[in-house]
Amino acid sequence: EVQLLESGGGLVQPGGSLRLSCAASGFTFSSYAMSWVRQAPGKGLEWVSGISGSGGSTYYAGSVKGRFTISRDNSYNTLFLQMNSLRAEDTAVYYCAKTNSRVAPNYFDYWGQGTLVTVSS
Amino acid sequence: EIVLTQSPGTLSLSPGERATLSCRASQSVSSSYLAWYQQKPGQAPRLLIYDASSRATGIPDRFSGSGSGTDFTLTISRLEPEDFAVYYCQQYGSSRTFGQGTKVEIK
Repeated sequence: EVQLLESGGGLVQPGGSLRLSCAASGFTFSSYAMSWVRQAPGKGLEWVSGISGSGGSTYYAGSVKGRFTISRDNSYNTLFLQMNSLRAEDTAVYYCAKTNSRVAPNYFDYWGQGTLVTVSS
Repeated sequence: EIVLTQSPGTLSLSPGERATLSCRASQSVSSSYLAWYQQKPGQAPRLLIYDASSRATGIPDRFSGSGSGTDFTLTISRLEPEDFAVYYCQQYGSSRTFGQGTKVEIK
């Protein structure tokens, strides 16, 4: 059974940093691209970032490019999202999502339960 | 960036009725790379349809997807009580973007 468990969310001040983690199990982690998708309170879904199965290719939405960094550790089946220079508009539930592609993220066939990031002073 | 516009914003229907949800893209979605998701309050989204018309594993056959180019449709043939939720479309032909969602509510 595929399981994705996010952690690392919390309250952070504007301009601060946070690192999210996603522990994966139930599938061959290194064979699949992974992504982060976020949802602001009461709003829709927004794709944030993706990474290939090998970790050699990364992809970002324009709204986070230059501030967020996605990475993965295939030895520990874990996905990360380093978030710097956080803004109030980054406040959201962040979901870890598995894709059905080895290279570029496509559609998301499994999702974690999400971790809440709140950016506020 | 491809912008996806979903309509209507809210669909009020009764159990047993047919639901037709629309997703229109600002430019053609290559290779019909379009997916549909269902999200219930407090839950993560669930994949329903990928590649415009392929049902994901375990999805009942009352859910069907169709369309190509810029116009796509999700149809729920007969609404069950558990189908009342918010539905999102997502394209992955050029980067990845989501529509704003359609809420299917009980009439």
